[in-house]
Amino acid sequence: AQSVAQPEDQVKVAEGNPLTVKCTYSVSGNPYLFWYVQYPNRGLQFLLKYITGDNLVKGSYGFEAEFNKSQTSFHLKKPSALVSDSALYFCAVRDGSSYKLIFGSGTRLLVRP
Amino acid sequence: EPEVTQTPSHQVTQMGQEVILRCVPISNHLYFYWYRQILGQKVEFLVSFYNNEISEKSEIFDDQFSVERPDGSNFTLKIRSTKLEDSAMYFCASRQGLSGNTIYFGEGSWLTVV
Repeated sequence: AQSVAQPEDQVKVAEGNPLTVKCTYSVSGNPYLFWYVQYPNRGLQFLLKYITGDNLVKGSYGFEAEFNKSQTSFHLKKPSALVSDSALYFCAVRDGSSYKLIFGSGTRLLVRP
Repeated sequence: EPEVTQTPSHQVTQMGQEVILRCVPISNHLYFYWYRQILGQKVEFLVSFYNNEISEKSEIFDDQFSVERPDGSNFTLKIRSTKLEDSAMYFCASRQGLSGNTIYFGEGSWLTVV
């Protein structure tokens, strides 16, 4: 069965520093991977996805993610964090041919001024 | 930018009452979904809907749940007899289909069952 793990409940960084939010996955077949962000009292906003092609995927708000097949990881990154990036981040994998998304447990990112 | 819209944003209902959550998916999208997120827990898949029928549902989506696309724009989730454990944020989502792989979510409807 497909699964996603986000090993960190919370990540804290200082504004201006690079940030990484970790995600590992387990799938049978080719992985279709997604990152969503949830701001307080808001819905899930799509950030970026990996379907095929370049391992480094660029997305919204300056975020990018690196797909690593050998490590089965899809870590979210940003070179310089902003206080406004503070939110809950979810990694998700598509469940085979069904297009159903399997979500990780989420990582709360806190960016200190 | 087109978006998925949901109403109501928050509803409080008494246990045993029926609730209908409404969604307007993105206009050219063909695939529709409901997910839910119990407070502090993962986002969970409930049901997918395509071509006016359910294409997949989870174990959570039992007989008390139903979905409907009553017209060309709305997509509804009905909970027939609410239970305390149905308290959650319910997200509607849609996907274009064909080459469109991305699922776009609405802002959510927060349901509180008392």
